Amino acid sequence: NAGVMQNPRHLVRRRGQEARLRCSPMKGHSHVYWYRQLPEEGLKFMVYLQKENIIDESGMPKERFSAEFPKEGPSILRIQQVVRGDSAAYFCASSRNREGTEAFFGQGTRLTVV
Amino acid sequence: QKEVEQNSGPLSVPEGAIASLNCTYSDRGSQSFFWYRQYSGKSPELIMFIYSNGDKEDGRFTAQLNKASQYVSLLIRDSQPSDSATYLCAVHNTDKLIFGTGTRLQVFP
Repeated sequence: NAGVMQNPRHLVRRRGQEARLRCSPMKGHSHVYWYRQLPEEGLKFMVYLQKENIIDESGMPKERFSAEFPKEGPSILRIQQVVRGDSAAYFCASSRNREGTEAFFGQGTRLTVV
Repeated sequence: QKEVEQNSGPLSVPEGAIASLNCTYSDRGSQSFFWYRQYSGKSPELIMFIYSNGDKEDGRFTAQLNKASQYVSLLIRDSQPSDSATYLCAVHNTDKLIFGTGTRLQVFP
């Protein structure tokens, strides 16, 4: 859905660098989900955030990965010291509330680690 | 057991036929169920959602939910080649939206 904006669309990083992925939710949405998708695989849940709060980060790797959703500005997924295995498509989705209403996806950021 | 299970396919149907896509889930407390379509290299797009037992129709699409059997399905009537994509079943579980691995549908002319 064009309403959820992710940038950049494509990101190339060398091993050891940091990657920052941004997601602006649809207007009126205050809940954000981040997913990772490897080629030919399904969407793996990473983290669920509300403004200024991490609600569920059970899908986040314990090291190098972090996420935030500040009061002002987009949600950020940060990957430190990237490795080749981090290469994937990262999708963000937003929804209006917590009760499982429809979530809409952004176009994704395709991260390539070289 | 995976939280949301789908047959990976591919499911091949001729143009004009009914395509039937199935999904089972493990958490009996799940309340919201969604079907997304994903074309290769693109982001998932929401097709339908269903919250109550029974059928829900929207154009050529019908979602079916049976909470007792923990089963959700999507029927696509009058299938078109443009329907060829991967169909993802998603279940809202506590604070997470959990996806199955998807079923690849191929509609041939």
